[in-house]
Amino acid sequence: DAGVIQSPRHEVTEMGQEVTLRCKPISGHDYLFWYRQTMMRGLELLIYFNNNVPIDDSGMPEDRFSAKMPNASFSTLKIQPSEPRDSAVYFCASSSLEPNSPLHFGNGTRLTVT
Amino acid sequence: AQSVAQPEDQVNVAEGNPLTVKCTYSVSGNPYLFWYVQYPNRGLQFLLKYITGDNLVKGSYGFEAEFNKSQTSFHLKKPSALVSDSALYFCAVRDGQTGANNLFFGTGTRLTVIP
Repeated sequence: DAGVIQSPRHEVTEMGQEVTLRCKPISGHDYLFWYRQTMMRGLELLIYFNNNVPIDDSGMPEDRFSAKMPNASFSTLKIQPSEPRDSAVYFCASSSLEPNSPLHFGNGTRLTVT
Repeated sequence: AQSVAQPEDQVNVAEGNPLTVKCTYSVSGNPYLFWYVQYPNRGLQFLLKYITGDNLVKGSYGFEAEFNKSQTSFHLKKPSALVSDSALYFCAVRDGQTGANNLFFGTGTRLTVIP
């Protein structure tokens, strides 16, 4: 299994531009999570899906952020318009249905907004 | 509400010495506890978990953790540290009674093993 795949690995963009981050979860996993990691705030859960349905999006910072999961093998996190304070590493993770199953993380997308 | 505390931002230990990375948790129901490790420019990697049963849990790379219900702790340990163990370590908790699958992470502890 290739694990959770995220693209791009690095993204540099200018303030005001739209940014789209992509994630392919492990095949057969029912849950997909988007986390953001910064030095100041650590790891924050943004949103998570169960069977492609958003379950909890209370961690999404504001309306500029949106996430979709059109099918079981693909999810996107979009920021429009981007701001410098959005600079962070964004991780996608997936897990199976069992409550004791660990999360499997991708290698992240490092976003820099100038 | 669920939460995890990692009281030490940084732990330094000499190579070959035992190491401990501390974690305390708070949940309403039964805790499912996890340890993850993060190397530079990589995602978090699962090390070990406690769900139920034996309080001493063994995981990858020679790490183990001890669940202590009375102290609500789940400290990560290794008998003999390696330089390659230097990384960022995260403790995480899930409430086993809520049915939700999301994990709550601590703020992380940076472990440095000194040659």
